Amino acid sequence: AQSVSQHNHHVILSEAASLELGCNYSYGGTVNLFWYVQYPGQHLQLLLKYFSGDPLVKGIKGFEAEFIKSKFSFNLRKPSVQWSDTAEYFCAVNTDKLIFGTGTRLQVFP
Amino acid sequence: KAGVTQTPRYLIKTRGQQVTLSCSPISGHRSVSWYQQTPGQGLQFLFEYFSETQRNKGNFPGRFSGRQFSNSRSEMNVSTLELGDSALYLCASSRELAGSTSYNEQFFGPGTRLTVL
Repeated sequence: AQSVSQHNHHVILSEAASLELGCNYSYGGTVNLFWYVQYPGQHLQLLLKYFSGDPLVKGIKGFEAEFIKSKFSFNLRKPSVQWSDTAEYFCAVNTDKLIFGTGTRLQVFP
Repeated sequence: KAGVTQTPRYLIKTRGQQVTLSCSPISGHRSVSWYQQTPGQGLQFLFEYFSETQRNKGNFPGRFSGRQFSNSRSEMNVSTLELGDSALYLCASSRELAGSTSYNEQFFGPGTRLTVL
């Protein structure tokens, strides 16, 4: 069965620190990959997505992710986090349905 | 353009009761998916409807059911509620471009928080 693993459950950073959140998936076929973010009290919203082409994708708010097919990974990065990035981040894979990871809670302190 | 709306936003029920949750997709969106979000299990796919037909289903018991109407609005029903059904139920809609092989982005609603006592 398809699955998504997010290795970091809770990450605490200071402002201006760099961020990398891990995401690995298990599926042998063609996948579409997503990162969603859920800010406190807000809806889930799309950060970025990968369908095909350049494996380095850029999303909103300075986030980017790199698809490495050989490692079945789609890690999320941001060079310098802000307090407003405090949220829960979900990696997701679509095959015939959208499968989410369990999420990573990011806390950024000023 | 109005986003995905879900009603009610909060619901308290007791064990054994049944509940119906409603979702109105973004205008023009024909696909509606439902998810259950809990602290322990994260986001789990319940089912997807497209043109009034269930197109995909997750691994939930038959107590969880849904339907979609001709205007793309969707409802999900949970019968014989259990304590473990307490969760945030999220609805998401997507446009489904004709002839497109690309996955269409899903837009999520605010959710219905169900508490079962």
